[in-house]
Amino acid sequence: SQQGEEDPQALSIQEGENATMNCSYKTSINNLQWYRQNSGRGLVHLILIRSNEREKHSGRLRVTLDTSKKSSSLLITASRAADTASYFCAVETSGSRLTFGEGTQLTVNP
Amino acid sequence: DAGITQSPRHKVTETGTPVTLRCHQTENHRYMYWYRQDPGHGLRLIHYSYGVKDTDKGEVSDGYSVSRSKTEDFLLTLESATSSQTSVYFCATRGDRSYYNEQFFGPGTRLTVL
Repeated sequence: SQQGEEDPQALSIQEGENATMNCSYKTSINNLQWYRQNSGRGLVHLILIRSNEREKHSGRLRVTLDTSKKSSSLLITASRAADTASYFCAVETSGSRLTFGEGTQLTVNP
Repeated sequence: DAGITQSPRHKVTETGTPVTLRCHQTENHRYMYWYRQDPGHGLRLIHYSYGVKDTDKGEVSDGYSVSRSKTEDFLLTLESATSSQTSVYFCATRGDRSYYNEQFFGPGTRLTVL
């Protein structure tokens, strides 16, 4: 069964707006990671947040983690057309394995 | 892209034929993974390797086998391809650093089984 589940499945916004994507999971985790996938390409790692962290920033990305609710959110501020992609959360529960969600398709309109 | 290549990039084959996909990395990463990506399922782990000749099953391993005889190469074999194995296959690697656990992905192989 999927550990990470993203919400919404699809999101369409205008350039300059903020985009928020959510991820829920089911069990205890070591860390939660967000990846981006452009159409026809492989996934690219964006940011990792550990289970003892609550918030992390990287450029225009802000990730929060609420382990009591087993949820995370990814905020992209001041979005650009080039941010159009699919975004996946992935949880690491043990060892070196990740379990991915189904992704959120973000479209940023110019 | 962290020096990960996959071959072939596209393949069309017929049901019942064997197929081998290759992943090659130049990063000397210890861990290597094979995923499949299908609409509505995200990425699902097929098999992974934690060292030369050390492999283990993922969540969708039935019908697939893997081999890793060298650090840089991880092969995925479909012994007898079925239409349900039509998918996009991604290889990924991860280094052995204890702090940062990101995975690096290859460009993918699109496999069609007719």
